[in-house]
Amino acid sequence: GENVEQHPSTLSVQEGDSAVIKCTYSDSASNYFPWYKQELGKRPQLIIDIRSNVGEKKDQRIAVTLNKTAKHFSLHITETQPEDSAVYFCAASINTGNQFYFGTGTSLTVIP
Amino acid sequence: DADVTQTPRNRITKTGKRIMLECSQTKGHDRMYWYRQDPGLGLRLIYYSFDVKDINKGEISDGYSVSRQAQAKFSLSLESAIPNQTALYFCATSDHRTGITGELFFGEGSRLTVL
Repeated sequence: GENVEQHPSTLSVQEGDSAVIKCTYSDSASNYFPWYKQELGKRPQLIIDIRSNVGEKKDQRIAVTLNKTAKHFSLHITETQPEDSAVYFCAASINTGNQFYFGTGTSLTVIP
Repeated sequence: DADVTQTPRNRITKTGKRIMLECSQTKGHDRMYWYRQDPGLGLRLIYYSFDVKDINKGEISDGYSVSRQAQAKFSLSLESAIPNQTALYFCATSDHRTGITGELFFGEGSRLTVL
């Protein structure tokens, strides 16, 4: 099956700085890559996703990039704010809705 | 608002007991999932169901069973709970009719402690 690795496991940044979280996947057939944010004590929620037919997608301060050749994808958060503090999970699947394989999560802390 | 509801939210039980976690959804989605979350291990898929007559094992199905009683209900059972099944369990749904994204909608989670 698919293996998704996520780094780093913890990340601290100063407010206003950028944060980057990286994931790699093993199955070249994977073609859908969502990112979920889980605030403390809350349920995970989708923040952005990308399909394999595009290389980059942006939504305000967050962006995701995908390198299919290298089988890695990254989440970029610019101008970080304290409310960005959360655990972020990457995931990969073959087509939307099949088995989602999640990374182990990155705990992001934004220091005011 | 349409939602995914899990019961119970917290449960403490003893080794060897049978436990059922229930999930119901009012989103009208066809697909339902059970995930387990452990610190440092992320979210791991236990079972998933694409419709009432379709049940599939996930990454870590051993020691668990499920029942899809209706499109809106998906239950997870631990026939004989053991301490390493202590975890936070999430139910999730998604909708894969034409034109719908693959977004997972999670319930609020059920924290299970097995003593």
